[in-house]
Amino acid sequence: DTGVSQNPRHKITKRGQNVTFRCDPISEHNRLYWYRQTLGQGPEFLTYFQNEAQLEKSRLLSDRFSAERPKGSFSTLEIQRTEQGDSAMYLCASSLMDSSDTQYFGPGTRLTVL
Amino acid sequence: QKEVEQNSGPLSVPEGAIASLNCTYSDRGSQSFFWYRQYSGKSPELIMFIYSNGDKEDGRFTAQLNKASQYVSLLIRDSQPSDSATYLCAVNWGTGNQFYFGTGTSLTVIP
Repeated sequence: DTGVSQNPRHKITKRGQNVTFRCDPISEHNRLYWYRQTLGQGPEFLTYFQNEAQLEKSRLLSDRFSAERPKGSFSTLEIQRTEQGDSAMYLCASSLMDSSDTQYFGPGTRLTVL
Repeated sequence: QKEVEQNSGPLSVPEGAIASLNCTYSDRGSQSFFWYRQYSGKSPELIMFIYSNGDKEDGRFTAQLNKASQYVSLLIRDSQPSDSATYLCAVNWGTGNQFYFGTGTSLTVIP
């Protein structure tokens, strides 16, 4: 049984560069979520997919952020023109469309913008 | 504005004691409540969820929900040093919706 996987686990980039992260959910899960977490805070919602459809996007999410889930399986999160304030842990979670809708998290991608 | 409040701690308990972690939420329409444990530098891992008023037990863990008071708690019995972590409360306002997380409570179990 494989859980949620994320790649890369760590990314260091210079301000202004673009970065892309990948998330592979648990295979039978049709819902996929992206969160961002900074030190001392709980995860903050970014966006959510059901199958390939992006159903919700945080109003706090800058237009520099874009996410895709083209075939309803893996997802990518791209950040364009990175800023130092983008430095955070980016977490992916997936869930099965059942009564509990429990979200299971991947190991995260830690982004450092220099 | 949906809010989830937790006491940030740190909370320290001796080994073998009961640790009590509390969480309040703002929206009476909240449906599901989750407790996650997060070790430093790691991602959240699910402990348990609850959606009915009352208690739910799983091993050393008991979740308690009181929707009238908008309050959910987690009790950890026979606390172990390996329980030392940050405990995150998450609230779901409906299936398929995002989770709203509290800032977490840091727990230290002293050997």
